[in-house]
Amino acid sequence: DIQMTQSPSSLSASVGDRVTLTCRASQGVGTYLAWFQQRPGKAPKSLIYAASSLQSGVPSKFSGSGSGTDFTLTISSLQPEDFATYYCLQYNTYPRTFGPGTNVEIK
Amino acid sequence: EVQLLESGGDLVQPGGSLRLSCATSGFTFSSYALSWVRQAPGKGLEWVSTISVTGDTTYYADSVKGRFSISRDTSRNTLYLQMNSLRVEDTAVYYCANSYFDSSGFDYWGQGTLVTVSS
Repeated sequence: DIQMTQSPSSLSASVGDRVTLTCRASQGVGTYLAWFQQRPGKAPKSLIYAASSLQSGVPSKFSGSGSGTDFTLTISSLQPEDFATYYCLQYNTYPRTFGPGTNVEIK
Repeated sequence: EVQLLESGGDLVQPGGSLRLSCATSGFTFSSYALSWVRQAPGKGLEWVSTISVTGDTTYYADSVKGRFSISRDTSRNTLYLQMNSLRVEDTAVYYCANSYFDSSGFDYWGQGTLVTVSS
């Protein structure tokens, strides 16, 4: 199985900050990598698929990059609604595997 | 508007069974693979199972293989998860999600349904 790791596990940031989250796969997944946002008590929401494609309706302040084993999600200007947990997912092979998440908190 | 609405979550004793449903609308059912993803209390996301666009191929996490069965009903635009031999560690919120031809991760998610396995 492909193991996914995310760093940092949590971070504190201020409104307006630019933040970059990292996701790493234990073996290459091409660009079969997605990012999700989950606010407390809510269902996950898809942000990015194919490593860098923005899901319909997602604001352009979110961007993704990477291929193979190393990926990043960047939020260009944090707003209050962006404080949440972010998960990556590899869908190159089965079983699908998620990273453990990065919790973005308000500083 | 794409909608996925789970139901069927309940409190069940260890060893018991439960069937979850996910009623869908707002997208072309026959063009999407469908999946179940769960989240134990205070934990991260765990993929459980996926059924292909045509329904002829299914995939399961090792943790549920042989106990859970995924199916889809095209006439009702509904996804199911039959859960047998439930364990305490199956306690979680169960989400259904779709993926365009199983090529885009999980595009849209339902709101989840809570399954609690406890004596």
